Parts: sequence; C-alpha cells; structure tokens
Amino acid sequence: AQSVTQLGSHVSVSEGALVLLRCNYSSSVPPYLFWYVQYPNQGLQLLLKYTSAATLVKGINGFEAEFKKSETSFHLTKPSAHMSDAAEYFCAVSETGGFKTIFGAGTRLFVKA
Amino acid sequence: SQTIHQWPATLVQPVGSPLSLECTVEGTSNPNLYWYRQAAGRGLQLLFYSVGIGQISSEVPQNLSASRPQDRQFILSSKKLLLSDSGFYLCAWREEDRDTEAFFGQGTRLTVV
Repeated sequence: AQSVTQLGSHVSVSEGALVLLRCNYSSSVPPYLFWYVQYPNQGLQLLLKYTSAATLVKGINGFEAEFKKSETSFHLTKPSAHMSDAAEYFCAVSETGGFKTIFGAGTRLFVKA
Repeated sequence: SQTIHQWPATLVQPVGSPLSLECTVEGTSNPNLYWYRQAAGRGLQLLFYSVGIGQISSEVPQNLSASRPQDRQFILSSKKLLLSDSGFYLCAWREEDRDTEAFFGQGTRLTVV
C-alpha cells in the first residue's frame, strides 16, 4: 500500500532563507509524486509533479523537488523564502494504474520577516 | 479548460440534520472524482472516489455516503450529522486512466453544532 510521511508538521524560516520540506513515500510500484500548496480556507494548488521523467522537478513560485529512489524521498526546496510562501504544503503519491492519490499530513510553513 | 465547482463554501448545521454537498466538473468527460476531508493537523483523508456514474468506492466507514448521479456530478451526503463530521471537505477530479495530478475545488467548511 502506498503512503506518504511528511517530517515536521511546522517549519519556520526567515525571509530569504532556504526552505526545505521533507517527504518520504512508500509504494510497491513506481510512484507519481506531487507537492501541493494550500492557503487558508482554499483548495489545493499543484506546485510540481514527478512522473518518472527528470528526477529534479521544477515547479511554480521558484520551488523544486528531487526524486531520490534510493532514499524514497521527494523533498521540496526553495532557495530563498518569501513572505507569500507562508502556507500549508502537502506531499502526495499515486501509483501507476491506480485510482487514488494519497496525501501526507501536511507541513505548515511560517516565514519570519 | 476544465473547472470544478463546489458549494456551499461554508455551512453550519445542527447535530442530527441531513447534509448534501455538491461538486460539479466542467470541460472534461468521465473524470475520476474524489471527496476528501481535512481535519486540523491530520492532512487529507480520502473518503470516497468514483470512476464512473453510479460507481462509488468508500475508503473509511463513517456517517457519510456519496453518489454520482451524472458523469460530472459528485454528491456527499449524510442522513444525520454528528459533531465529528465537522471539517473542511474538498472535492477533486483526475483525468480518466491517466496518472495525472488531482484538481481541487475551493472546499466547504462544515461546522456541526
């Protein structure tokens, strides 16, 4: 069965600092992996996705993530945090040929001025 | 382009009352449809998904039910709400037979009092 673990329910960084949000997955078949962002009282918006092409994936708003099969990880990074990045971030996995997308518990990112 | 509509945006209901949340998708045919519930600090819990009209798969035994009366309409219902049904409900769709990302509605904030 597929699952996703996000390490750290809350992450706080200073404006301009590196953002690193951690995600580890479990899947019995090659996975598709996603990062979503959610602003308060809104739906989820896709940041980026990995679908077995390049292992380094670039997304919107300057975010990127690297798929590491040996570590079963898909961590999200951004070189320089901006106040507008404050939101909740979800890592998700779906299996090739599967119907379901499974989400992690989410990481709330705080950005300090 | 495809759009997803979910309503109402907020809802306050007394314990024991019925519930009906509606979701419709435009601009695509035979989408996979999903209902998720988001509780504080617990990520997104997949409640139901549907791969076609009248086809509903339930992920978690609970006080809720789902129906898909039309290809692009997905309804979440309850006959008698419980306090524990409070939460943020999200509808989502994915393209049929493709391992693409899910697209989300804006969500419904349900408070059971």
